[in-house]
Amino acid sequence: NAGVTQTPKFQVLKTGQSMTLQCAQDMNHNSMYWYRQDPGMGLRLIYYSASEGTTDKGEVPNGYNVSRLNKREFSLRLESAAPSQTSVYFCAMGLAGETQYFGPGTRLLVL
Amino acid sequence: GQSLEQPSEVTAVEGAIVQINCTYQTSGFYGLSWYQQHDGGAPTFLSYNALDGLEETGRFSSFLSRSDSYGYLLLQELQMKDSASYFCAVNRRGKLIFGQGTELSVKP
Repeated sequence: NAGVTQTPKFQVLKTGQSMTLQCAQDMNHNSMYWYRQDPGMGLRLIYYSASEGTTDKGEVPNGYNVSRLNKREFSLRLESAAPSQTSVYFCAMGLAGETQYFGPGTRLLVL
Repeated sequence: GQSLEQPSEVTAVEGAIVQINCTYQTSGFYGLSWYQQHDGGAPTFLSYNALDGLEETGRFSSFLSRSDSYGYLLLQELQMKDSASYFCAVNRRGKLIFGQGTELSVKP
């Protein structure tokens, strides 16, 4: 987990509520990513940012927005949470062709 | 489309050797990575193969055959702490596409 922090660790939301998941890295990487992992599944890319000021959609972007605030921080926003967004969310930094470093995850339950 | 296939579960005994296979179908393939995840925690990087052949890192080795769209992770001298989920992931034009994972159980 070294170098990537995520807040909060756990969150319970009601359907329709909004929230922002925060991610920060201290390894000066240009590339950052948001993934979700559902039970018994692999990670699926939601959004990524190749550099400060740029973002792009991944496999499952619907229902989410992101902000690359600066080189260190990459946030994920759920505008109107749905039960289908119950998942574990991981932030990562690094390159797909090298080592990606993952944060500890945010466990989100939407009721 | 794109897809990766790996076995859902593998069981082995301490001290043994185990191989976890991964087959993939994708366009824009750049390479194959392997990640380990303990108990739903942060995945950790194990290896990356961009070219055909075997890469060795301590007890772990990873192999890639681009012509066969196939790779594997080989774990030697298994230890109890190797019990975890293992994911192969395709580097597709700079983005990782993960398989569903293989749960490895190491028995005494």
